Amino acid sequence: DQQVKQNSPSLSVQEGRISILNCDYTNSMFDYFLWYKKYPAEGPTFLISISSIKDKNEDGRFTVFLNKSAKHLSLHIVPSQPGDSAVYFCAASATGGGADGLTFGKGTHLIIQP
Amino acid sequence: EAGVTQSPTHLIKTRGQQATLRCSPISGHTSVYWYQQALGLGLQFLLWYDEGEERNRGNFPPRFSGRQFPNYSSELNVNALELEDSALYLCASSLFNWETQYFGPGTRLLVL
Repeated sequence: DQQVKQNSPSLSVQEGRISILNCDYTNSMFDYFLWYKKYPAEGPTFLISISSIKDKNEDGRFTVFLNKSAKHLSLHIVPSQPGDSAVYFCAASATGGGADGLTFGKGTHLIIQP
Repeated sequence: EAGVTQSPTHLIKTRGQQATLRCSPISGHTSVYWYQQALGLGLQFLLWYDEGEERNRGNFPPRFSGRQFPNYSSELNVNALELEDSALYLCASSLFNWETQYFGPGTRLLVL
């Protein structure tokens, strides 16, 4: 049973436009959500997180939105740049930063086209 | 500041053998986590170590074990290797167990 779902395996966006990556979760105990970016042959790199007490968090070009009632979060990247091409993982935790381990989605491969 | 480091980068073993993977956390981080990313699957939580103790484990058999040393580095041992253990093994560390986890580059294990 997948508790964190990223339903788009891949997404293609033109350079300079907005990239929107989506994530849905089923476990109502999740209270902390993170986005990681992963290049081939590297470990995931932390991008941005959000606690369930907030509905939005911004860091530069990256904004994460959380809709608790819909159990949905999204990552917005504006403007998209070629270096943003990578696999993006959504992760969730029921215990803050992840004392029970983070639960990951399967990832969305973002391709930024020139 | 140095990030999380893992060794070796690649490891080839045969069925039934044991594999040992190593991880050094970011300086000052006391929690170490291990994850497995098998082909076609997302990252799956394996083990969490904090202050030298195993605090939690994911849904993996007991032949996956490890330890954390006094300097907070960690070792993952996989005994009686099976073909399906072939995967990327990622280590992450955090300052405290409720803080953001930062990942190393991983060890790619191939079981033949």
